Amino acid sequence: AQSVTQPDIHITVSEGASLELRCNYSYGATPYLFWYVQSPGQGLQLLLKYFSGDTLVQGIKGFEAEFKRSQSSFNLRKPSVHWSDAAEYFCAVADTGRRALTFGSGTRLQVQP
Amino acid sequence: DTGVSQDPRHKITKRGQNVTFRCDPISEHNRLYWYRQTLGQGPEFLTYFQNEAQLEKSRLLSDRFSAERPKGSFSTLEIQRTEQGDSAMYLCASSLARGGARPEAFFGQGTRLTVV
Repeated sequence: AQSVTQPDIHITVSEGASLELRCNYSYGATPYLFWYVQSPGQGLQLLLKYFSGDTLVQGIKGFEAEFKRSQSSFNLRKPSVHWSDAAEYFCAVADTGRRALTFGSGTRLQVQP
Repeated sequence: DTGVSQDPRHKITKRGQNVTFRCDPISEHNRLYWYRQTLGQGPEFLTYFQNEAQLEKSRLLSDRFSAERPKGSFSTLEIQRTEQGDSAMYLCASSLARGGARPEAFFGQGTRLTVV
């Protein structure tokens, strides 16, 4: 069965600093990988996705993520964090059949002024 | 607005009552998913439909839960005899699974259920 691990429950960064959120997955084949962001009481917004090809993918709001098959990782990065980036971030993997998502437990990002 | 919409956004109910939630997917999407999210956790898969057919139900979906998607359009999720443990955010997502379409799921804003 597929699984996703987000090792960092809570991260605090200063505004303007760089950010990296970690994600490790377990899946038998080539995965479909996603990062979603969720503001309090809201649904999930897709930040970026990886299906195949270039292992560095660009998303919305200046985010990017790199797929590393050897490390089973799909870490999310942003060079300069803005206060509006404070939210919960979820990494997810989809199987190639039913395409249902398996989510990690999330990383809560706090941005200090 | 052509996104996924869910109704109601919030529902407070007494234990033992029945509740029903509605999800309207993006119109051309043939797959519809239901997830449940409890506080501090990621969403967990409950069930999904391809058109009107319910193809899979998670073991999280007890007999008190039922979902339908008549005519392959909107979907409803009903919980009978609610329990306090049912309190959660219920999220709906839709995607297009046809030909070379990418498996990109779009989520609604969710329905927050509180059972008192």
